Amino acid sequence: EAQVTQNPRYLITVTGKKLTVTCSQNMNHEYMSWYRQDPGLGLRQIYYSMNVEVTDKGDVPEGYKVSRKEKRNFPLILESPSPNQTSLYFCASSFLQGDYGYTFGSGTRLTVV
Amino acid sequence: KQEVTQIPAALSVPEGENLVLNCSFTDSAIYNLQWFRQDPGKGLTSLLLIQSSQREQTSGRLNASLDKSSGRSTLYIAASQPGDSATYLCAVPLSGGYNKLIFGAGTRLAVHP
Repeated sequence: EAQVTQNPRYLITVTGKKLTVTCSQNMNHEYMSWYRQDPGLGLRQIYYSMNVEVTDKGDVPEGYKVSRKEKRNFPLILESPSPNQTSLYFCASSFLQGDYGYTFGSGTRLTVV
Repeated sequence: KQEVTQIPAALSVPEGENLVLNCSFTDSAIYNLQWFRQDPGKGLTSLLLIQSSQREQTSGRLNASLDKSSGRSTLYIAASQPGDSATYLCAVPLSGGYNKLIFGAGTRLAVHP
């Protein structure tokens, strides 16, 4: 089944403790991206990648890092999480041409205390 | 700057009604438009993707139309069911590049028996 897989689905952590949210897609998509969703603010892009070793900032990149060492994986790294990063996170992927739209993962609910 | 607006913000209807959800966008030079469904706290499920050259797409009881010149799309749900209760989001790629989706704030739909 074609899908974007995120792990974990739920995560509670403490301020300052480094964490990684993994994202993997099996559709050979070039483009991958991370979004966060917050009440009243909607979905905002954090980082995106157009291909392996190519990443760029989205609208809200502060406090996050990403890497794209393999085409299928695009992990999101929070080096020192803070409570304002408590949110629902989504990974998405697509072909660069965009003909088939975006596929989203099931989301990661992160709580930083 | 591309902005996407969805009307109404919320809708509550009895089972069996036919519904129309509206989406408007300010920049008509879109590559495509995608409708998603989101259940509370869950991921985004792609419902329909309409390319800029198309006028409409259908999937089961769902029909989405696109009028680029007027900057509008509608999602028609026929014979609504309680299982249709969810938030419906429309999104268009950022003009000039397929590297970010611009989302509307969504329409929260409740279908009661």
